Amino acid sequence: GAVVSQHPSRVICKSGTSVKIECRSLDFQATTMFWYRQFPKQSLMLMATSNEGSKATYEQGVEKDKFLINHASLTLSTLTVTSAHPEDSSFYICSARADFGEQFFGPGTRLTVL
Amino acid sequence: GQQVMQIPQYQHVQEGEDFTTYCNSSTTLSNIQWYKQRPGGHPVFLIQLVKSGEVKKQKRLTFQFGEAKKNSSLHITATQTTDVGTYFCAGRLSSGSARQLTFGSGTQLTVLP
Repeated sequence: GAVVSQHPSRVICKSGTSVKIECRSLDFQATTMFWYRQFPKQSLMLMATSNEGSKATYEQGVEKDKFLINHASLTLSTLTVTSAHPEDSSFYICSARADFGEQFFGPGTRLTVL
Repeated sequence: GQQVMQIPQYQHVQEGEDFTTYCNSSTTLSNIQWYKQRPGGHPVFLIQLVKSGEVKKQKRLTFQFGEAKKNSSLHITATQTTDVGTYFCAGRLSSGSARQLTFGSGTQLTVLP
């Protein structure tokens, strides 16, 4: 299957700092990328959907100014958690999909905010 | 909004026993997908069901999509310790502009040797 990479895999930061997470589709062009967060022992919650070259669509309750998403190319999307706080600690997973195709998930980024 | 409910939340079985997880949607789905997430890992795609009443098999795994396209099940025959993980269903609406998947809450399977 297709490969989606995420970087970094794990990050620990101090409260108030910003953290950028990259999501790349390695062997296909992803017209759509999705960002999810997952709390321990819980399901994946969709945060936002982004299409290359356009603004991301955020789910209800997700602050767009706090979780900045940039889908600069067909193979790269970034999620920046601005002014992170301990409650933002979570497992962030991206997925990528070619048009009408299957979704492939990245390996996730575990964010810990101290 | 759309909701996808999944039961049970947890299931412990003895190795060799069967296991089933059920998924129900509040709205009709265009398709449903199943994923497996190992502890500490990320969701891995297992299968997609599209047709009403569809049944697909992958070795010991049997997937069903209901006639009304609002429910689905995953059945594992003779579980093995390698089956340990959380199984998620994820549905996509049949109408509207929404193209994202809505995930069920997952069923965490523990297989005791």
